[in-house]
Amino acid sequence: NAGVTQTPKFQVLKTGQSMTLQCAQDMNHEYMSWYRQDPGMGLRLIHYSVGAGITDQGEVPNGYNVSRSTTEDFPLRLLSAAPSQTSVYFCASRDAGTRGNEQFFGPGTRLTVL
Amino acid sequence: GNSVTQMEGPVTLSEEAFLTINCTYTATGYPSLFWYVQYPGEGLQLLLKATKADDKGSNKGFEATYRKETTSFHLEKGSVQVSDSAVYFCALLLSNTGNQFYFGTGTSLTVIP
Repeated sequence: NAGVTQTPKFQVLKTGQSMTLQCAQDMNHEYMSWYRQDPGMGLRLIHYSVGAGITDQGEVPNGYNVSRSTTEDFPLRLLSAAPSQTSVYFCASRDAGTRGNEQFFGPGTRLTVL
Repeated sequence: GNSVTQMEGPVTLSEEAFLTINCTYTATGYPSLFWYVQYPGEGLQLLLKATKADDKGSNKGFEATYRKETTSFHLEKGSVQVSDSAVYFCALLLSNTGNQFYFGTGTSLTVIP
């Protein structure tokens, strides 16, 4: 199993540009999430999905869109990039159900918005 | 609300020193508790977990006990190694919030030879 994969690893955008961060998992997990990691703030949930066709907002959803057309893929779209979106983005997945299910993380995408 | 508070870093220790990283939580229900570790340039990996009060999670010499009475889940290791240098995150998961993990801000640990 490849686990959770993310592309690209690094990206530089100009203000106003749009792009999609890709995330895929091969573990047949129902739950997938996007987080951003900023210094001194830990991980903050952007959007999450509990299954194909179902998405919901997390703590910091503004400026981001998601969709979940398949179990495997959960792309994150930046509609019009802003410098405040400079961050490291992590995708994660886990099985639904039991209380102790581990959340598996991808390697991250480091995004800089100029 | 639900939240996790962990001790501020950075923490610098000499090899073989004793490590404690404090973590306390606030939760509206009965959470599962986790410690994740992030090595430089990588994503987070599960280090250990506990799903109910008085459970002890352990892995790679690290331990943490779920203390409901003090709402705490402190991470300990008796003798740290240089390879333990990383950022450590405490997190909670409430079954009634679906997929929402709540993470602490992370504690950076550097172990010097």
